[in-house]
Amino acid sequence: EAQVTQNPRYLITVTGKKLTVTCSQNMNHEYMSWYRQDPGLGLRQIYYSMNVEVTDKGDVPEGYKVSRKEKRNFPLILESPSPNQTSLYFCASSLIGTGYNSPLHFGNGTRLTVT
Amino acid sequence: SQQGEEDPQALSIQEGENATMNCSYKTSINNLQWYRQNSGRGLVHLILIRSNEREKHSGRLRVTLDTSKKSSSLLITASRAADTASYFCANRAQKLVFGQGTRLTINP
Repeated sequence: EAQVTQNPRYLITVTGKKLTVTCSQNMNHEYMSWYRQDPGLGLRQIYYSMNVEVTDKGDVPEGYKVSRKEKRNFPLILESPSPNQTSLYFCASSLIGTGYNSPLHFGNGTRLTVT
Repeated sequence: SQQGEEDPQALSIQEGENATMNCSYKTSINNLQWYRQNSGRGLVHLILIRSNEREKHSGRLRVTLDTSKKSSSLLITASRAADTASYFCANRAQKLVFGQGTRLTINP
């Protein structure tokens, strides 16, 4: 089944303790992206990657790192989490194609709480 | 900001009625996409309409696009309780920018 898999689904951690949220897709998509979703602020892009070894900042990259060593995986790293990073996180992927006319496929989300 | 705006923010209707949601955006776009999100879950792509298209259908969904007004609408006909969800439009120029969504509730 074609899907984007995020882990973990829920995560509670303390300020400053490094964590990684994994994301994997099995659709051979070039494009992958991380979003955070907060009430009243909608979906905001954190980082994206157009292909292996190519990553770029989105709208809210501060406090996050990503890597794209393989096409299928795009982990999100919080080196020193803070309470303002408490949020619902989504990984998404798509083909790039002509004119970017390809829909995004989303994972089921990771609900992160930083205390 | 490129962020689009959706209207209304919340909509509650009876099962069987039609639901219409509107979306406005600010810049020229390549395409506009609609997504659905069940509570706390990932977004699911519903339909994509290109900038040179004016209307598109998919099952009970009808999407229109008016590039002169920089607006789009999503119509769900003959609504069902299972259509209860949040609906987001996303406009694509250089990047995909999501609106804040319309929360749709279908009452049995």
